[in-house]
Amino acid sequence: AQSVAQPEDQVNVAEGNPLTVKCTYSVSGNPYLFWYVQYPNRGLQFLLKYITGDNLVKGSYGFEAEFNKSQTSFHLKKPSALVSDSALYFCAVSNNFNKFYFGSGTKLNVKP
Amino acid sequence: SQTIHQWPATLVQPVGSPLSLECTVEGTSNPNLYWYRQAAGRGLQLLFYSVGIGQISSEVPQNLSASRPQDRQFILSSKKLLLSDSGFYLCAWAGGLNEQFFGPGTRLTVL
Repeated sequence: AQSVAQPEDQVNVAEGNPLTVKCTYSVSGNPYLFWYVQYPNRGLQFLLKYITGDNLVKGSYGFEAEFNKSQTSFHLKKPSALVSDSALYFCAVSNNFNKFYFGSGTKLNVKP
Repeated sequence: SQTIHQWPATLVQPVGSPLSLECTVEGTSNPNLYWYRQAAGRGLQLLFYSVGIGQISSEVPQNLSASRPQDRQFILSSKKLLLSDSGFYLCAWAGGLNEQFFGPGTRLTVL
């Protein structure tokens, strides 16, 4: 069965510090991995994805993520957090682009 | 470019009343379509998905149903709403080897 785990309900970081939001997955076949961000009362916005190729993928708003096959992880990172990055972040996985499996979400709080 | 619409944006309904939420996609053809429910601003629960007209996969047995009468139209319905149906309903589409794109959502409150 396919699944995604986001082990942290909440991540707190000071503005200007690096941030990491963790994601691990379980999938049969090739994993296709995605990160989304959600602001209050809004739909999810796509940040970045890993399909194939370079394990380090760069996305919107300065975010990046590293695909680690041996650890089945796809952690989201940003070198310098902004207060405006405060939001709910979701990791998702698919193995066929028909059905997508989402983690439970991690709330990121960036303090000034 | 592709866009996805959902309406209404907010809805307050009494228990036992019917429900119809609509989602339409523009700028693409034969998309996969999805309905999710999000409770209390956290995890997404996949309710239904469709890979073509008239093809509906139900993920969770519940008080809801879905239909896809046209290629780019996806409707979520209920004959009688329950209090537990309250939540934030999100429609999404995907096509080819690409990510999902989400609509703005509908906030449903059942009183």
